[in-house]
Amino acid sequence: AQKVTQTQTSISVVEKTTVTMDCVYETRDSSYFLFWYKQTASGEIVFLIRQDSYKKENATVGHYSLNFQKPKSSIGLIITATQIEDSAVYFCAMREGSANTNKVVFGTGTRLQVLP
Amino acid sequence: GPKVLQIPSHQIIDMGQMVTLNCDPVSNHLYFYWYKQILGQQMEFLVNFYNGKVMEKSKLFKDQFSVERPDGSYFTLKIQPTALEDSAVYFCASSAQGASNERLFFGHGTKLSVL
Repeated sequence: AQKVTQTQTSISVVEKTTVTMDCVYETRDSSYFLFWYKQTASGEIVFLIRQDSYKKENATVGHYSLNFQKPKSSIGLIITATQIEDSAVYFCAMREGSANTNKVVFGTGTRLQVLP
Repeated sequence: GPKVLQIPSHQIIDMGQMVTLNCDPVSNHLYFYWYKQILGQQMEFLVNFYNGKVMEKSKLFKDQFSVERPDGSYFTLKIQPTALEDSAVYFCASSAQGASNERLFFGHGTKLSVL
């Protein structure tokens, strides 16, 4: 069964610095997709970035990048030059590539607070 | 960008009553999902739906839960009867083709309070 684990409950950083949020996953599928979403204070859930398991290159979108360590089943999210508005809860998620399932499983989330 | 709309944003209901949560997914999307989130914690998968049928459901999707999308209208989650533990925020999501690499588009959620 697929499982996503985020051990960091809460992180505080000073703005303009870099932060890394951890995520490890479990799956028996050889093909899978990893996602990061952000939930703002208003409750809105926003997609940030995706990593395909078969790609060796780390995905990068804007000031978000991923640290994909496949042997460790790890997919960390890196935010560079953090801004106050990056304060939110960040969820790691996974979807297996098998045709037998379509569900996306989420981790418990990491609350990021960016301080001035 | 594409939006998923959820109506209402907040629903207060007495335990034992029926409630229907409505979701207007992104037009031309074919796959629909419901997630349950308690107190800003983990979003837990309830069910996904395609072509008029439930594809998968979790243990949280109790017998009192049902989903449908009659004639391409709202995608609904009905709970009958409601229980206290059903109090949560329910998020609807949709995706275009249901492909494994597709992102989900989420609504803003419906906060359900069961008294």
